Amino acid sequence: GAGVSQSPSNKVTEKGKDVELRCDPISGHTALYWYRQSLGQGLEFLIYFQGNSAPDKSGLPSDRFSAERTGGSVSTLTIQRTQQEDSAVYLCASSADRGAWQPQHFGDGTRLSIL
Amino acid sequence: GENVEQHPSTLSVQEGDSAVIKCTYSDSASNYFPWYKQELGKGPQLIIDIRSNVGEKKDQRIAVTLNKTAKHFSLHITETQPEDSAVYFCAATGRDDKIIFGKGTRLHILP
Repeated sequence: GAGVSQSPSNKVTEKGKDVELRCDPISGHTALYWYRQSLGQGLEFLIYFQGNSAPDKSGLPSDRFSAERTGGSVSTLTIQRTQQEDSAVYLCASSADRGAWQPQHFGDGTRLSIL
Repeated sequence: GENVEQHPSTLSVQEGDSAVIKCTYSDSASNYFPWYKQELGKGPQLIIDIRSNVGEKKDQRIAVTLNKTAKHFSLHITETQPEDSAVYFCAATGRDDKIIFGKGTRLHILP
């Protein structure tokens, strides 16, 4: 069956440019999470969507980062005016329902490199 | 704040031997503890999880133990094989439907 799909798998861009990263969650999953993973590091929470509720944006590192989720399905993470410290792997995960005890299913991530 | 500590950061074991990874958590309200395996270039994959109402769970060569009093939990892999080489993350539930991840353990299985 289809898992979580992320695109692009790799993105190289120049400092100062805007980037958009896409996540297609598992069909029917109501919860969607974005994480950032820097080289050799753990997973840093960025943002959480649950159904039609207002997203939990508490992990976004600056106002250059934003995300939306249209129709309760596909999500886009946007980074404006990229900086070199934004270079990382951005991971998306979805789960069947709200609640941290719901297993999260991850995509393979987008590897973002800022030159 | 909420925190999950994971040790060791790197672990090398001989093929066929056992590997143990340990984690501690800070939030006494945590009640769900998943473990993820991440292979190179892939996203993390859930391999086993445990809820706070049990002390141990086993799935073939993998087992997880939980000590709620001490706030620590461990992953045990027996009879290790080359395909067990990966980065392993522990996690614990935090507040507001989030889980908090440890920083990961890079496991090397030596031939």
